[in-house]
Amino acid sequence: ETGVTQSPTHLIKTRGQQVTLRCSSQSGHNTVSWYQQALGQGPQFIFQYYREEENGRGNFPPRFSGLQFPNYSSELNVNALELDDSALYLCASSDDYEQYFGPGTRLTVT
Amino acid sequence: AQSVTQPDIHITVSEGASLELRCNYSYGATPYLFWYVQSPGQGLQLLLKYFSGDTLVQGIKGFEAEFKRSQSSFNLRKPSVHWSDAAEYFCAVGARPPGTYKYIFGTGTRLKVLA
Repeated sequence: ETGVTQSPTHLIKTRGQQVTLRCSSQSGHNTVSWYQQALGQGPQFIFQYYREEENGRGNFPPRFSGLQFPNYSSELNVNALELDDSALYLCASSDDYEQYFGPGTRLTVT
Repeated sequence: AQSVTQPDIHITVSEGASLELRCNYSYGATPYLFWYVQSPGQGLQLLLKYFSGDTLVQGIKGFEAEFKRSQSSFNLRKPSVHWSDAAEYFCAVGARPPGTYKYIFGTGTRLKVLA
C-alpha cells in the first residue's frame, strides 16, 4: 500500500508569484485535506476535497485554491504569494475519521 | 469554539526520566484525539489515537495517553525518555460533522532531552 506522497519537497518562490503543490492520496482514500504549518506553529486547516468537490474551508483567503482529480490526487494553488505564505504545507488523505499525512512541501517565499 | 491547548511550549527532561505532555481540548461532543511527533524538517508521525473505548491508549515508541473526559484532557506520557525522543509534539482533535471533518491542532510542545 502506497502512502501519501507530496511534490515537490522544497521550493523557493518570489513574492507575487504563483505556486502549485501536488499530493497523491493513499490508495482507496477519496478525501484530501490540506494544512499549512507556519514555523513554530501547529498545522492549520486550509480546505478539504471529497470526490472532486470542495468540502469545507478554513480561514484562508481565496488566493488559496485547490483541485481534486478523478484518481483523488489533489493540487493546492496559491496565487500572489506573500512572505507569510512561507510554511510547510501538509496534505492528508482519509476515508473515515483518521487522516494520513504526507511528508509535506516546504515553501519559502522571498 | 473548538480548540486545543498545549500549555507547555518547551519542556526539558533528562534522559531516562519520565515525561508528561499536557493537552486540553474544547469540543462539544466526544472527540477523536491524536498525538503526533515531528522531528525538525520532517512531516507528522502518528504516535497514538483515541476514538472510543479504553481511555488509556498505547502508542508507538513506548508512549501512552489517557483520555479524561471530566478534565477535557488527553495527556501524553512516557516512563523513560530516550535522547531520540527530542522533537516537537502536537495534540489534535478530530472535529466531526456537522461541518467538515478536520483536525484542530495545538501549538505544539518542543521536547529537549538532556544526556
